[in-house]
Amino acid sequence: SYVLTQPPSVSVAPGKTARMTCGGNKIGTKSVHWYQQKPGQAPVLVIYDDSDRPSGIPERFSGSNSGNTATLTISRVEAGDEADYYCQVWDSTSDQRVFGGGTKLTVL
Amino acid sequence: QLQLQEAGPGLVQPSVTLSLTCTVSGDSISVSSYYWGWIRQPPGKRLEWIGNIYFTGITYYNPSLRSRVTMSVDTSKNQFSLKLSSVTAADTAVYYCARIPGLTGEAPLDFWGQGTLVTVSS
Repeated sequence: SYVLTQPPSVSVAPGKTARMTCGGNKIGTKSVHWYQQKPGQAPVLVIYDDSDRPSGIPERFSGSNSGNTATLTISRVEAGDEADYYCQVWDSTSDQRVFGGGTKLTVL
Repeated sequence: QLQLQEAGPGLVQPSVTLSLTCTVSGDSISVSSYYWGWIRQPPGKRLEWIGNIYFTGITYYNPSLRSRVTMSVDTSKNQFSLKLSSVTAADTAVYYCARIPGLTGEAPLDFWGQGTLVTVSS
């Protein structure tokens, strides 16, 4: 089945920009969604369809997708952004939703 | 305000059928543009999609779990349910229910319940 690869961890200082990648074969042809999960809480959708933001998600969150890599970018990172971030796509070959392994964002 | 709440036993014995219910409030489960889904997360592991159901009863299941999964919907109670048979320790996970605002597989999961931990152990 389709595999999504995310780096286990990313660290960034407050006020800087965090970039988290999600790799997959020709992922640029798929719609990528991103979820934020804080410890002990349910995931929250932060980006859908590669680059759209749900209502209530700050403009600091943005997404892009091309080739074999999708990227979630968080500008002006805040302490409250510290969480695990998961990418997700629909794999039409195996008819299932697939999640990446997640990236833990640490705010230094 | 939309809320989803999972309910079910926190501990089940190996080989039995796990049963969970998701109660939806703040929206109707019969809205024509939504599917409703189940996702799980074993301790320390990635999220895994289990399947989703439409209010008419149409279902889509993860191929790897299809032989053991049954989903159903009760529109009168605004609930949908999950049954997973022949459970093993590998089925120990936090189980989430979620709303899917679209009728295709590409749709995201836009609202999630808080999740319920199910442990499979004797």
